[in-house]
Amino acid sequence: EAGVAQSPRYKIIEKRQSVAFWCNPISGHATLYWYQQILGQGPKLLIQFQNNGVVDDSQLPKDRFSAERLKGVDSTLKIQPAKLEDSAVYLCASSLGSRSYEQYFGPGTRLTVT
Amino acid sequence: DQQVKQNSPSLSVQEGRISILNCDYTNSMFDYFLWYKKYPAEGPTFLISISSIKDKNEDGRFTVFLNKSAKHLSLHIVPSQPGDSAVYFCAASIGGGGKLIFGQGTELSVKP
Repeated sequence: EAGVAQSPRYKIIEKRQSVAFWCNPISGHATLYWYQQILGQGPKLLIQFQNNGVVDDSQLPKDRFSAERLKGVDSTLKIQPAKLEDSAVYLCASSLGSRSYEQYFGPGTRLTVT
Repeated sequence: DQQVKQNSPSLSVQEGRISILNCDYTNSMFDYFLWYKKYPAEGPTFLISISSIKDKNEDGRFTVFLNKSAKHLSLHIVPSQPGDSAVYFCAASIGGGGKLIFGQGTELSVKP
């Protein structure tokens, strides 16, 4: 079974630039999550999708972050414009359903904003 | 507000001995707890979990203990192996999955 795929693995941008991350969840997983992990901290949920609908985006900084999950499969997370404090690893995870505790994580995208 | 706390950033243990990783939480509404393991440059992988209706769950060398009155859980690894060296995160959830609240992580180093 293929795992959660993410790209790119690494990205360096200057502040005020834009960046987008892509995630392909495990086949058949209805629920998709984006987490932000700042160095020295645990992952923090940014947004949760159930199929292509948003379940929870309470911690997504909506003035600069946006996410979509078209057709209920792949998802993209965008930051526009980036700030220095956005430097982090962005993790995508998926699970069978919204009531599934076990989430499967991708390798993450390490973003550095200079 | 840090609802899930792992107060030890690092732990070093000798191979073959027991590793004990601790986690404290503040929200009494949490009803499910998980431990994840993370190697460098990889995403976290699920290790073991426990429901709030239990006080112990065991899976091979890994055992998780839950003390609800103290709002404390711990992960025991016996015997510890060098391959167990990783960052361990505890996480908590309310009401049936979905959003996980993670602790800061504890880096375990198992020395041969």
